[in-house]
Amino acid sequence: DVKVTQSSRYLVKRTGEKVFLECVQDMDHENMFWYRQDPGLGLRLIYFSYDVKMKEKGDIPEGYSVSREKKERFSLILESASTNQTSMYLCASHRGSSYNSPLHFGNGTRLTVT
Amino acid sequence: GDSVTQMEGPVTLSEEAFLTINCTYTATGYPSLFWYVQYPGEGLQLLLKATKADDKGSNKGFEATYRKETTSFHLEKGSVQVSDSAVYFCAANNAGNMLTFGGGTRLMVKP
Repeated sequence: DVKVTQSSRYLVKRTGEKVFLECVQDMDHENMFWYRQDPGLGLRLIYFSYDVKMKEKGDIPEGYSVSREKKERFSLILESASTNQTSMYLCASHRGSSYNSPLHFGNGTRLTVT
Repeated sequence: GDSVTQMEGPVTLSEEAFLTINCTYTATGYPSLFWYVQYPGEGLQLLLKATKADDKGSNKGFEATYRKETTSFHLEKGSVQVSDSAVYFCAANNAGNMLTFGGGTRLMVKP
């Protein structure tokens, strides 16, 4: 079974702090994604990566950056956290060879910025 | 761009009731269609999918049929259980491996 592990379930940070959200997958998937989930808005794509050291902006990249130094790890970085970044963050991975293959999600990190 | 619209929740049903959650999409071409489910405290997991017109996806008693003529992929279950309480997301996957999600529908099943 594919496992996508997000390092923290809950985080509380202060405005202006630099925040790192870590995600690791164990199935050698090429594609990795970061989403945020907000009530009534569903899932919105922040960034994704097709390969090591590659990254692409999603629909809402402002205020975020990412890092993919190894295939299994995809980090989301909030350079200077703000209260409007309080949200649930979901990491997902996907085998790139078939666009019909499903996304595999982690359990999410609930971030609160005070 | 592509978009997925699903009915807003919450949907509240009694156990053994019939469930329908509507989903429609707009897309260029013919996307693959998915339903994901998110149980409390967990990430999303694939519930079922359909990759071409008239395909029916099914899993755990849930079904959805890919209707090209109405651009719909409605989720149905004949008899819901309390354990089906969750948030359900419809999604479409077109070229480039990118999924577009609907806003999610919360289902609450009462005993």
